[in-house]
Amino acid sequence: LAKTTQPISMDSYEGQEVNITCSHNNIATNDYITWYQQFPSQGPRFIIQGYKTKVTNEVASLFIPADRKSSTLSLPRVSLSDTAVYYCLVVQNTGGFKTIFGAGTRLFVKA
Amino acid sequence: GAVVSQHPSWVICKSGTSVKIECRSLDFQATTMFWYRQFPKQSLMLMATSNEGSKATYEQGVEKDKFLINHASLTLSTLTVTSAHPEDSSFYICSAREGGGNYGYTFGSGTRLTVV
Repeated sequence: LAKTTQPISMDSYEGQEVNITCSHNNIATNDYITWYQQFPSQGPRFIIQGYKTKVTNEVASLFIPADRKSSTLSLPRVSLSDTAVYYCLVVQNTGGFKTIFGAGTRLFVKA
Repeated sequence: GAVVSQHPSWVICKSGTSVKIECRSLDFQATTMFWYRQFPKQSLMLMATSNEGSKATYEQGVEKDKFLINHASLTLSTLTVTSAHPEDSSFYICSAREGGGNYGYTFGSGTRLTVV
């Protein structure tokens, strides 16, 4: 299983764009990159998943360079409610494979 | 989208008693589910992989006789904490993945266990 490394914490202000980078140097060919958000006392919530280049949905964008050894989650115009822990995971996208969580990034959005 | 329901959301029990936590995939079948525990301000720690119709696979250091997992159907996995002690107090979370979907794993809302 590919190990991931993220910044422990980040601070931002409302309305700013936040970029959280994750390193996964030993990612395998079959691995996908998935990001989750977790609020206190709740289960993680899926944000976005990608394999290469750029993926965008209604809440975030995911940028993955050609070597796939890192990825960047981009949250546009954050609000106070985006204060949470964000986890980057590398998972084989064939189901049934366990998901190991790294330490995550604690994002604190200030007014 | 896929929904995983976890019950109860919180439970308080006395030391020495057992507690069962249920994890259900509401609108999809899950041959594999995962159980995690999370201590305050820490990340999720994988405890075991629950496989429908077969024995669970436990992570190193997790006592299989203390944390009993049963995955009797394609939509239900249960975790039973046996002879609970205060150090078992934690936040327990399950997850499952809808086969063929491209939305990663869906997590339950978690169960806060407090052993007194």
